[in-house]
Amino acid sequence: ILNVEQSPQSLHVQEGDSTNFTCSFPSSIFYALHWYRWETAKSPEALFVMTLNGDEKKKGRISATLNTKEGYSYLYIKGSQPEDSATYLCALNQAGTALIFGKGTTLSVSS
Amino acid sequence: DAGITQSPRHKVTETGTPVTLRCHQTENHRYMYWYRQDPGHGLRLIHYSYGVKDTDKGEVSDGYSVSRSKTEDFLLTLESATSSQTSVYFCAISEAVVLGAGELFFGEGSRLTVL
Repeated sequence: ILNVEQSPQSLHVQEGDSTNFTCSFPSSIFYALHWYRWETAKSPEALFVMTLNGDEKKKGRISATLNTKEGYSYLYIKGSQPEDSATYLCALNQAGTALIFGKGTTLSVSS
Repeated sequence: DAGITQSPRHKVTETGTPVTLRCHQTENHRYMYWYRQDPGHGLRLIHYSYGVKDTDKGEVSDGYSVSRSKTEDFLLTLESATSSQTSVYFCAISEAVVLGAGELFFGEGSRLTVL
């Protein structure tokens, strides 16, 4: 069973701070890397699906990068807002396999 | 929003009883998944389906079975529920051509408590 690691497990920032999280995965047989945002009492929602080494994707103040050769992806949030408080999940797809999720990074943003 | 519904949304049952959770989609997506969410574990894959009558095991499949007799329905069955199966269960669907490639759309979750 492949291992998808996320760090940190949780963090707390002040409104306006920028922050980033890491997702690490085995770099062999990579096919796709997903990021999801999961608010409390809701269902996870997709942020990005990334497939190419060097991919960079952006959605508003949130962006992600991907390095498949070294097996990591970064998620960045610029100017954090209280509504960004959520758990951020990454998930790995190796060719021919269903998504395997990391345990997530829980972000809390104080105003 | 993707048309995906789970039922029941909440269920309390006793150890040893059978339980079936239903996932229904109106999107005609090929792939359907069952995940469970537990504190400290995130989302773990139980079973998935890649078509009618085509299913496969995930990382935590012991004690669970699934069936998909129609494109739109994916059933998760606990033949004899145990307390360790107390969890929140999420169904997800994907329209990707390749397994795992496309984004997942999640249902609202089914909270199961086994006493």
